[in-house]
Amino acid sequence: QSVLTQPPSASGTPGQRVTISCSGSSSNIGSNTVNWYQQLPGTAPKLLIYNNNQRPSGVPDRFSGSKSGTSASLAISGLQSEDEADYYCAAWDDRLNGHVFGTGTKVTVL
Amino acid sequence: EVQLVESGGGLVQPGGSLRLSCAASGFIFSSYWMSWVRQAPGKGLEWVANIKQDGSDKYYVDSVKGRFTISRDNAKNSLYLQMNSLRAEDTAVYYCARLTTMITWYFDLWGRGTLVTVSS
Repeated sequence: QSVLTQPPSASGTPGQRVTISCSGSSSNIGSNTVNWYQQLPGTAPKLLIYNNNQRPSGVPDRFSGSKSGTSASLAISGLQSEDEADYYCAAWDDRLNGHVFGTGTKVTVL
Repeated sequence: EVQLVESGGGLVQPGGSLRLSCAASGFIFSSYWMSWVRQAPGKGLEWVANIKQDGSDKYYVDSVKGRFTISRDNAKNSLYLQMNSLRAEDTAVYYCARLTTMITWYFDLWGRGTLVTVSS
């Protein structure tokens, strides 16, 4: 069961800005950093954002992350067709003593 | 090349056992925590287990405690997951992932996964 809640889907036309929310609680997002993963169709997940808003080398600056209280969000600016994928937020949960993932959001480029 | 390659998946009957392996290359394996993450068909990601660099500390998701055991062999650059008393709900693609623990914890390298199907 996923502890972090995301909208099941999001969409936009090329060039638009899309935002994905991730809602948690005081034991996870409220007290730990948030990471985001991108999973392209048929492939393994890939780290997209770590430590709330840091991008690994090679990740375009179109992707940005933020966190406030017990929620976090991922923004994709200048949406491109290759951004069609599933996106997952994740954090450490102090109460469960383990990692928790979001329910996942499928992004469609119209 | 920095990579993780899983193996050992397959079809197993309910109540059976399976051992997954993950071969690491291109980085100093013994310097990292390692993890298993799974994904049931058409579903989201679920963290399964973590193991510390020297194997002295391990964490598991509640649903696999007492049934799954994570281990590693640093001399062979390999990570393992021994899965016993398998259930239908354990059916998933199992990913091996490298866990970086600088300031925060995150999975910064993933394998391609190996499929485990539990069915009679």
